[in-house]
Amino acid sequence: DAGVIQSPRHEVTEMGQEVTLRCKPISGHDYLFWYRQTMMRGLELLIYFNNNVPIDDSGMPEDRFSAKMPNASFSTLKIQPSEPRDSAVYFCASSLARISNTGELFFGEGSRLTVL
Amino acid sequence: EDQVTQSPEALRLQEGESSSLNCSYTVSGLRGLFWYRQDPGKGPEFLFTLYSAGEEKEKERLKATLTKKESFLHITAPKPEDSATYLCAWVAGGFKTIFGAGTRLFVKA
Repeated sequence: DAGVIQSPRHEVTEMGQEVTLRCKPISGHDYLFWYRQTMMRGLELLIYFNNNVPIDDSGMPEDRFSAKMPNASFSTLKIQPSEPRDSAVYFCASSLARISNTGELFFGEGSRLTVL
Repeated sequence: EDQVTQSPEALRLQEGESSSLNCSYTVSGLRGLFWYRQDPGKGPEFLFTLYSAGEEKEKERLKATLTKKESFLHITAPKPEDSATYLCAWVAGGFKTIFGAGTRLFVKA
């Protein structure tokens, strides 16, 4: 299995631009998580989905952030408009319900976002 | 407020110098305490799950233990390739997995 695939790996954009990050979870996994990692705040959960349905989006920082999962093999995290404080590494992770209570999430390699 | 606190923030060891990392928690109804390893530029990688006080798990030079208030990740005779950030985590209802700030481990040859 190819694992969780994220794109782009690096994104540099100007303040005010729209940013879209993409994630392909491991085939067959029914949970998908979006995290953001910064030096100051560590690894923060933004939102997670179960069977393509958003379950908890309480970590989404502002209305500028939105996430969708149109099907079991694809999810997007969109920031519009982007701001310099959104600069971070964004991780996508997936899991299976039957093993999620074991804490085993499978992470992608992350998308490093820099907003100038 | 439910939370986990990891210490130290950073730890520098000589190769072969055993030590322990700490994850203290104040979580009501803990459903599991998890350990992950994160290498620079990579996503976290799952290591262990501990469910109840007294439980231990081992993998190569790593051993994780759990008490009613904290978990330890013991590293025996570390090697430079053990250098990484080690994260502990817990589930805050549903499948909402929350991570601690991590301990950055540096092992010098």
